[in-house]
Amino acid sequence: GQNIDQPTEMTATEGAIVQINCTYQTSGFNGLFWYQQHAGEAPTFLSYNVLDGLEEKGRFSSFLSRSKGYSYLLLKELQMKDSASYLCAVRGYNAGNMLTFGGGTRLMVKP
Amino acid sequence: EAGVTQFPSHSVIEKGQTVTLRCDPISGHDNLYWYRRVMGKEIKFLLHFVKESKQDESGMPNNRFLAERTGGTYSTLKVQPAELEDSGVYFCASSPRQTKNIQYFGAGTRLSVL
Repeated sequence: GQNIDQPTEMTATEGAIVQINCTYQTSGFNGLFWYQQHAGEAPTFLSYNVLDGLEEKGRFSSFLSRSKGYSYLLLKELQMKDSASYLCAVRGYNAGNMLTFGGGTRLMVKP
Repeated sequence: EAGVTQFPSHSVIEKGQTVTLRCDPISGHDNLYWYRRVMGKEIKFLLHFVKESKQDESGMPNNRFLAERTGGTYSTLKVQPAELEDSGVYFCASSPRQTKNIQYFGAGTRLSVL
């Protein structure tokens, strides 16, 4: 089975940097995904890591350490519109490629 | 390009009734997934289609749930008869047949069973 942990809530200030951590325990690993979800909307794909290291995409970066079962999502130059839930999901090594999700981190950006 | 669309966006039914949810994946995506988020819990996998075939249905809670994908295009998820614990948000996702296999999600159907 798989177990994924991430903080329930975080608060940060507009213009600042915030790091959202995700730890996982899995019997097989074939990639880690971060999604952003605004209330009532579809989860939107942000990033994908399958090898160790940092993936940068504009204001968002994601890091993975497979040996530590650890990832983080880094958001720079925070904007009010970044207030949303951020979902960490792991893909196992099976034929179905299903995603196992953490509970999500609700980020509130304050002025 | 249209994203994953789900219908209805919200459904309110009484315990014992039947409800059918529909998902239209992104055109050309062979893979289609159903997930569910029950109140206060994380999003959980239900099943996975590759074209019209069920690849993995290990997450289906019981035989009151029936998923179909006739013709390998849109999919339906029927709950019959619905129970109170079936309330939640049902998400559909689709992905192309590529190495990264990134799943793109719909906005979900919020099901309320009273």
